[in-house]
Amino acid sequence: GESVGLHLPTLSVQEGDNSIINCAYSNSASDYFIWYKQESGKGPQFIIDIRSNMDKRQGQRVTVLLNKTVKHLSLQIAATQPGDSAVYFCAESYSNTPLVFGKGTRLSVIA
Amino acid sequence: NAGVMQNPRHLVRRRGQEARLRCSPVKGHSHVYWYRQLPEEGLKFMVYLQKENIIDESGMPKERFSAEFPKEGPSILRIQQVVRGDSAAYFCASSPSRGGSPLHFGNGTRLTVT
Repeated sequence: GESVGLHLPTLSVQEGDNSIINCAYSNSASDYFIWYKQESGKGPQFIIDIRSNMDKRQGQRVTVLLNKTVKHLSLQIAATQPGDSAVYFCAESYSNTPLVFGKGTRLSVIA
Repeated sequence: NAGVMQNPRHLVRRRGQEARLRCSPVKGHSHVYWYRQLPEEGLKFMVYLQKENIIDESGMPKERFSAEFPKEGPSILRIQQVVRGDSAAYFCASSPSRGGSPLHFGNGTRLTVT
């Protein structure tokens, strides 16, 4: 289930299940969105991106959905694996300005 | 191809000393960004540079912090007279163009001020 910890919200899922990580972005003018994965002690690693002229984009085991009406972005991970355990950040940008990061969600995969 | 290289990985400084953080971008990338991350928080933008130019420093504290990206050599983030509140992880990222494409991040420098 999903819970809000002291700092980072945490999502716990069983290995093999699908994960959905949500993100509410702040700027209705944002035209570029991106998801990063950050493992402990490492830098953010690019997962998938999407531009505002699209509402869905798929990669390998991941799908990003964009709902501009409610300013909502989600990341779906199919068949979640232990190696998917990490903190996931969404980020937004408008008109090529530097990426603005959200607070992050910790994904914990239960084997 | 080497990714973004940051050094040192860990840096300990006493209050009042200077901290110098280095970043070598991906080969061929001329756009460099610096972000700061506190524990259990997201990354906060600090500064965006192109070769020899600061493009956007809206996230940089007005005092003690400076950044450069010279024609030759790595980008440097310099913090003078460090205070305990400067303790954080500092990440550098690079990209081949301005905006609209993923940033490639290094593994950061963890600064501890004692």
